[in-house]
Amino acid sequence: SAVISQKPSRDICQRGTSLTIQCQVDSQVTMMFWYRQQPGQSLTLIATANQGSEATYESGFVIDKFPISRPNLTFSTLTVSNMSPEDSSIYLCSVGQAFFGQGTRLTVV
Amino acid sequence: GENVEQHPSTLSVQEGDSAVIKCTYSDSASNYFPWYKQELGKRPQLIIDIRSNVGEKKDQRIAVTLNKTAKHFSLHITETQPEDSAVYFCAASRRRQEAGKSTFGDGTTLTVKP
Repeated sequence: SAVISQKPSRDICQRGTSLTIQCQVDSQVTMMFWYRQQPGQSLTLIATANQGSEATYESGFVIDKFPISRPNLTFSTLTVSNMSPEDSSIYLCSVGQAFFGQGTRLTVV
Repeated sequence: GENVEQHPSTLSVQEGDSAVIKCTYSDSASNYFPWYKQELGKRPQLIIDIRSNVGEKKDQRIAVTLNKTAKHFSLHITETQPEDSAVYFCAASRRRQEAGKSTFGDGTTLTVKP
């Protein structure tokens, strides 16, 4: 099993600014995943964060908008850059098949 | 890429009745199929999963069936209780080890009426 701590749990941000979300796992994992869940919708994979290499982005997501760091096997960050109201969503990190962080509820005003 | 379709989008049942949620997938290479329950304001919770070499799996009141030929899998909840009310998501991925890299269905909002 794995325990994931994600922060912040929520934030309200001004458009044009950036927010960095942190995800800490209590054990070493090879891959960490970042998802977006828009209000009332399903989860969409943003990217896979691999330690020691660049993140792998899914179609529709780019590194300039969602830069990801993975400095070690227990930690990752996702930055939402130059935010607009359309970025208002819940962002979740995940490891394996069963474990999600508690999510970051982002509101862009 | 993988495409997962989930039906129905909403489901309302009386307490004690059964609920069935169905999903289809498109990628024949997918071989791991988890189901998640998400309560309002909470993170998704894995409730059951199945691999492609198994046709059915059961855990108390919850069961999942898989038809790999037809590329569909279903979640069955028996003797439903009000606390089963939540959004349920199916997902598909190519390897259990990469199950964090999943394609999700659109979700089913289950309401169990007392």
